[in-house]
Amino acid sequence: QKEVEQNSGPLSVPEGAIASLNCTYSDRGSQSFFWYRQYSGKSPELIMFIYSNGDKEDGRFTAQLNKASQYVSLLIRDSQPSDSATYLCAVTSNSGYALNFGKGTSLLVTP
Amino acid sequence: NAGVTQTPKFQVLKTGQSMTLQCAQDMNHNSMYWYRQDPGMGLRLIYYSASEGTTDKGEVPNGYNVSRLNKREFSLRLESAAPSQTSVYFCASSSSLYGTGELFFGEGSRLTVL
Repeated sequence: QKEVEQNSGPLSVPEGAIASLNCTYSDRGSQSFFWYRQYSGKSPELIMFIYSNGDKEDGRFTAQLNKASQYVSLLIRDSQPSDSATYLCAVTSNSGYALNFGKGTSLLVTP
Repeated sequence: NAGVTQTPKFQVLKTGQSMTLQCAQDMNHNSMYWYRQDPGMGLRLIYYSASEGTTDKGEVPNGYNVSRLNKREFSLRLESAAPSQTSVYFCASSSSLYGTGELFFGEGSRLTVL
């Protein structure tokens, strides 16, 4: 069983602060890493993907990948109340055809 | 452009009844997936279809069957529903044959088995 682990939270940060979301994975062969955002009662939507070690920035979001440590993170700068959601880490499965998801971290941004 | 469409959105079944969840995508994607989402369990893959004409088991396939009817449609069937199958079911599609592309999700189907 290939696993993707996330702290379930809730992670509470004040508006304007940096939110840091973390994810570890067990399959060293995983090649692709994704962060999805899911609002309550809605379907997941892609925020970021990263394939190479290092950082990838897109607006207020930065994804960080460290394959040696099997660790991927998502930083959200200048957090807004609208960022309050569950964030799902996803990693390619050993079949290569599908994604394995973590259980998600609930983020609450307080005004 | 509807993206991924799932029907029905809500369904209540009695134990032992059967039903089929329908999914269709209009993005010409090769790969399609069925996930279930339960509180505290995250998204778990039931079945996937890497391309038209192929289907494979995911993490939790027991109690389910699937049909990739054509490139657009991928259905999920519960032959004899059990309370443990109460869940939110998501269909998704992706353009890539391998898990490197973005997954586009339907709105979900909320199933309750009494």
